[in-house]
Amino acid sequence: EIVLTQSPGTLSLSPGERATLSCRASQSVSSSYLGWYQQKPGQAPRLLIYGASNRATGIPDRFSGSGSGTDFSLTISRLEPEDFAVYYCQQYGSSSWTFGQGTKVEIK
Amino acid sequence: QVQLVQSGAEVEKPGASVKVSCKASGYTFIDYYIHWVRQAPGQGLEWMGWINPKTGGTQYAQKFRGRVTMTRDKSITTAYMQLNSLRSDDTDDTAVYYCSREIYSRGNYYFDYWGPGTPVTVSS
Repeated sequence: EIVLTQSPGTLSLSPGERATLSCRASQSVSSSYLGWYQQKPGQAPRLLIYGASNRATGIPDRFSGSGSGTDFSLTISRLEPEDFAVYYCQQYGSSSWTFGQGTKVEIK
Repeated sequence: QVQLVQSGAEVEKPGASVKVSCKASGYTFIDYYIHWVRQAPGQGLEWMGWINPKTGGTQYAQKFRGRVTMTRDKSITTAYMQLNSLRSDDTDDTAVYYCSREIYSRGNYYFDYWGPGTPVTVSS
């Protein structure tokens, strides 16, 4: 099973600041299967980025994804109040989907 | 519009079974895999497996093999996840269980729609 390790565990930032979240895989991952999801308390996850760098429908352009192989990142260029949430990366490999443990973006 | 509507909260005793439903609407049910993902309180997301609604074929995460069964009823566009031998110890099954639709588009695979989740509590 491919393990995804997200860092940092918690990111404390102010609105308007830039957020950079990391997702590192224990072995190389196909970008076709790399996604990022946002989850707010009491809600289901919401797709943000698919194929490592493609924004899902309706996702603002302040969200961007990049990376390949074992290192991927999600960047939020300027944090809006509604962006404070938990973010998960996800991948498929070795016949199994896995998620990272999540990065919480909290208001400083 | 695409919707995944899940059954309501469940409370079960250790050793019992639970069956959660996920009714799909707004798209052709048999054209997209349905996945089940769970989330224990305060924890992250854990993939459990998928079902191909067209064929009924399934694939389960190693952790759940032998305890989980995913089925579907094409006539009512509903997928089901049954988890047996529920636990309330270190490997607690108390969690919110989500269904999600997998889509393949332009060479990419991802989960584009999610149900609201079904809370399952395992307690004696």
